[in-house]
Amino acid sequence: GAVVSQHPSRVICKSGTSVKIECRSLDFQATTMFWYRQFPKQSLMLMATSNEGSKATYEQGVEKDKFLINHASLTLSTLTVTSAHPEDSSFYICSASRLKASYGYTFGSGTRLTVV
Amino acid sequence: SQELEQSPQSLIVQEGKNLTINCTSSKTLYGLYWYKQKYGEGLIFLMMLQKGGEEKSHEKITAKLDEKKQQSSLHITASQPSHAGIYLCGADTNAGKSTFGDGTTLTVKP
Repeated sequence: GAVVSQHPSRVICKSGTSVKIECRSLDFQATTMFWYRQFPKQSLMLMATSNEGSKATYEQGVEKDKFLINHASLTLSTLTVTSAHPEDSSFYICSASRLKASYGYTFGSGTRLTVV
Repeated sequence: SQELEQSPQSLIVQEGKNLTINCTSSKTLYGLYWYKQKYGEGLIFLMMLQKGGEEKSHEKITAKLDEKKQQSSLHITASQPSHAGIYLCGADTNAGKSTFGDGTTLTVKP
């Protein structure tokens, strides 16, 4: 089945530094990828929609200069958290839409970001 | 905007018991997905429902979508500790995005 690989799974960084999270579709082309954020015991919150070859579309309240998204190819989207602060600590997860709607959206395994 | 309401918020059942989780939408659903997640891990796709009255089963898990396509239920028969986790319903919006319910945390006591 389709697999979305997300890396790293866990990262700890110092305040003020930047962290890049990668999301790769391993056996299918993903023209659209979605980036979500999840706080403990809460549901997923869509941050932005990443479209290959064009600028990402950010949800209201999400700072595009802080959460940089790049979707340079049909198999790779990256989320960079710039100048990270402790309040950015969260679980970030990506998903990719597949051609076959019956499979829903394929999700990455997520990245646990801790900013100290 | 499409909103999904899940109930109950949390559920504790004894192993072997049946349980049901509900997902209610404020608007007609055009694609309803059920996922399972353990916090800090990726989501696992369980099932997708599209047609009113549709019902799908996988092992001991059955999901249904009502005729009006505004409510879905996820039923687990003879629950096992391996069923424990967070169950999320998700739906497609007309903007081509997904929206999710708040999740139901299931604990199965051995």
